[in-house]
Amino acid sequence: TAGITQAPTSQILAAGRSMTLRCTQDMRHNAMYWYRQDLGLGLRLIHYSNTAGTTGKGEVPDGYSVSRANTDDFPLTLASAVPSQTSVYFCASRPRDDSGTEAFFGQGTRLTVV
Amino acid sequence: GQNIDQPTEMTATEGAIVQINCTYQTSGFNGLFWYQQHAGEAPTFLSYNVLDGLEEKGRFSSFLSRSKGYSYLLLKELQMKDSASYLCAFMDSNYQLIWGAGTKLIIKP
Repeated sequence: TAGITQAPTSQILAAGRSMTLRCTQDMRHNAMYWYRQDLGLGLRLIHYSNTAGTTGKGEVPDGYSVSRANTDDFPLTLASAVPSQTSVYFCASRPRDDSGTEAFFGQGTRLTVV
Repeated sequence: GQNIDQPTEMTATEGAIVQINCTYQTSGFNGLFWYQQHAGEAPTFLSYNVLDGLEEKGRFSSFLSRSKGYSYLLLKELQMKDSASYLCAFMDSNYQLIWGAGTKLIIKP
């Protein structure tokens, strides 16, 4: 069972370059999320999607964009990376956005912007 | 506003019991989650409480008091593999998860 898969697992990126972090789930979950995790801070929501075709902004959306063309995929794009975007990025999914169901996480992408 | 707080780090001895507390403030509440996260890995689900009281799952138990905005995770018979960060998160009125910064639990032999 694959669950939720992220790629790449790690990346070093030059400032000013663009990059897309990929996230794919095979659980047919409606809701998907992108978080960043920084030392001493909780998981912070970047963008979310409650169902295919819709997206919304989270707590820290600036500098990031997402799309949700289908149920399975939820890529996160950094248009012009800056060093403050150095972080560990987690993609997560839940069966629905309107119930108390647990979130399942991908293994994370460790991004370093230099 | 919304906020959530948990201790940054705790130390316990193998075989002992440890309680990790979490306090939160929110106007809308749809439950509280506990996750375990080993270093360099993804968070994994431990428990979910939406009603007051204690939920027990093997060596782990989770408690919730909605009136006090308080939860705790109780770990019994600690094992070295329990060394990890423990994240609490509440679900707000929009069913979004609001995360604490995590409690790093260090287990000593």
